[in-house]
Amino acid sequence: GNSVTQMEGPVTLSEEAFLTINCTYTATGYPSLFWYVQYPGEGLQLLLKATKADDKGSNKGFEATYRKETTSFHLEKGSVQVSDSAVYFCALRNTDKLIFGTGTRLQVFP
Amino acid sequence: DGGITQSPKYLFRKEGQNVTLSCEQNLNHDAMYWYRQDPGQGLRLIYYSQIVNDFQKGDIAEGYSVSREKKESFPLTVTSAQKNPTAFYLCASSIYVGGGGPLRLTDTQYFGPGTRLTVL
Repeated sequence: GNSVTQMEGPVTLSEEAFLTINCTYTATGYPSLFWYVQYPGEGLQLLLKATKADDKGSNKGFEATYRKETTSFHLEKGSVQVSDSAVYFCALRNTDKLIFGTGTRLQVFP
Repeated sequence: DGGITQSPKYLFRKEGQNVTLSCEQNLNHDAMYWYRQDPGQGLRLIYYSQIVNDFQKGDIAEGYSVSREKKESFPLTVTSAQKNPTAFYLCASSIYVGGGGPLRLTDTQYFGPGTRLTVL
């Protein structure tokens, strides 16, 4: 079946540190991969996506590359800000259903 | 502005009462979805609808009901049969891009701001 595994949080970083949040997946076929971000008390916002192997999604300084050989879609940012503090969800889509990971909380301190 | 609205943001109900959560979108999206989020967990799919007057059960449909009488609206009713209704409920929508049946494809899902339901 389809599943997504994310590293457990919380991830605690100082401002301007490098961020990596690991995400691996199991899927049949060729899923699309997504990162969503959720700020406290809000819904999910699409952060970036990739639809095929070797695609790189990027937005607001965040990047993730679709690696079919390692079934991974790790989220990275070179220099985090306090405003990046949120919960990050990795997800895959086969046909019209999204399968989510459990989320990783990021806390950035000044 | 186009988007997805959910109302109310906070909702309180007594145990044993049915309650309906609203979800409206003006994006002209074909498909709509309801998810439930519990603390420390990912989102779980309750129901989804690909077209008007049609909907399918998700992974945790027991104790919930939906309707899709209009393209822009997909209300969710939490019934008294739902054993643990207190949660954060998220609605999403997406546009149809091709295929059919089990291979039906939709584009990226966009989410509303959510409704936090507390049953006392």
